[in-house]
Amino acid sequence: GAVVSQHPSWVICKSGTSVKIECRSLDFQATTMFWYRQFPKQSLMLMATSNEGSKATYEQGVEKDKFLINHASLTLSTLTVTSAHPEDSSFYICSARSLGQGVEAFFGQGTRLTVV
Amino acid sequence: KQEVTQIPAALSVPEGENLVLNCSFTDSAIYNLQWFRQDPGKGLTSLLLIQSSQREQTSGRLNASLDKSSGRSTLYIAASQPGDSATYLCAVSRGTGNQFYFGTGTSLTVIP
Repeated sequence: GAVVSQHPSWVICKSGTSVKIECRSLDFQATTMFWYRQFPKQSLMLMATSNEGSKATYEQGVEKDKFLINHASLTLSTLTVTSAHPEDSSFYICSARSLGQGVEAFFGQGTRLTVV
Repeated sequence: KQEVTQIPAALSVPEGENLVLNCSFTDSAIYNLQWFRQDPGKGLTSLLLIQSSQREQTSGRLNASLDKSSGRSTLYIAASQPGDSATYLCAVSRGTGNQFYFGTGTSLTVIP
């Protein structure tokens, strides 16, 4: 199947700093990318949907000014957690879909963010 | 809003047993359903994808069925092995460009 690469796999940052997470589709063009968040012992919850070249659509309760999403190319989307706080500590995972890859969605390896 | 539930939340079985994981969803207007495996602290590994027009998919020791009208799917694992220990997630989607709604997961432990 297609490969989605997410970087970094884990990051520790100080409270108040910003962290950028990258999601790349390595062998296909991702017209749509999704960002999910997973708190311990909970399932994945969608944060936002981004389409290449347009603004991301955020789910209710997700602050768009805090979680900046950029999908400037068909192979790269970034999620920046701005002014991170300990409650932002979570597992963030991206998913990419493309009509050219059929109906299956492909997921990155995830990023474990710890804010201290 | 679509809600996806998985039962049981946790399951522990001896090696070699056959087992069934259950997934139910509230909105039957789905495009496809996908089963994933997640190892601790890791990302998702896709196991099986069932499109809404299909009834089941098989891959090796895994078999997934879908009954869209009743909002149910099952994942059957034959001859379980310790390496099968992981959390299994089911997810449904309304379309190719749409998000997935994930279930709460079943944590499986296969005891050697």
